[in-house]
Amino acid sequence: RKEVEQDPGPFNVPEGATVAFNCTYSNSASQSFFWYRQDCRKEPKLLMSVYSSGNEDGRFTAQLNRASQYISLLIRDSKLSDSATYLCVVISPGGKLIFGQGTELSVKP
Amino acid sequence: DVKVTQSSRYLVKRTGEKVFLECVQDMDHENMFWYRQDPGLGLRLIYFSYDVKMKEKGDIPEGYSVSREKKERFSLILESASTNQTSMYLCASSFRDRGNTGELFFGEGSRLTVL
Repeated sequence: RKEVEQDPGPFNVPEGATVAFNCTYSNSASQSFFWYRQDCRKEPKLLMSVYSSGNEDGRFTAQLNRASQYISLLIRDSKLSDSATYLCVVISPGGKLIFGQGTELSVKP
Repeated sequence: DVKVTQSSRYLVKRTGEKVFLECVQDMDHENMFWYRQDPGLGLRLIYFSYDVKMKEKGDIPEGYSVSREKKERFSLILESASTNQTSMYLCASSFRDRGNTGELFFGEGSRLTVL
């Protein structure tokens, strides 16, 4: 089993739609969790951290479910500019950042 | 503004050639990393360094070596390039652990093709 797993997609949604991605992790002692965004042919950039109580940044909501060992990212009112690959990142107990393989999102007009 | 610069965006090399990928950061970060990114496999850590002249193997170090002679520069070396090293190589840097902020700053990547 991979340490961090994501549905690779692609997720094709119309503008204005709400879309959610999940990411599962195998090590229950994992410490911290993040979502990165990677535009086509660009480098990954930190989108947001994921806190135990859940957190929101504008149209983006991140949640953590420690019992089921997954994190999620919800995007409301999707924009064309949200089209990108979303990478889940988990910090292992040893402090190593482990990346998921990414979920591709395509928002269509 | 934070800046991580990789020396080459695109390289084409032949099997057996020695390849140098250079990475420079201007943020005085202690930590530097080299990843490769392949479709369906995500980012995989090759080597990392937490200090000058220090290096640690990541998950896939075979066929690679690194050099960190100065804090701002971290080089990835392919001693004898092979076709299975065709990939996108990403350099990243971060401050030494500050509560595991998880924020890495990436360069734009170097796409290497080995023929």
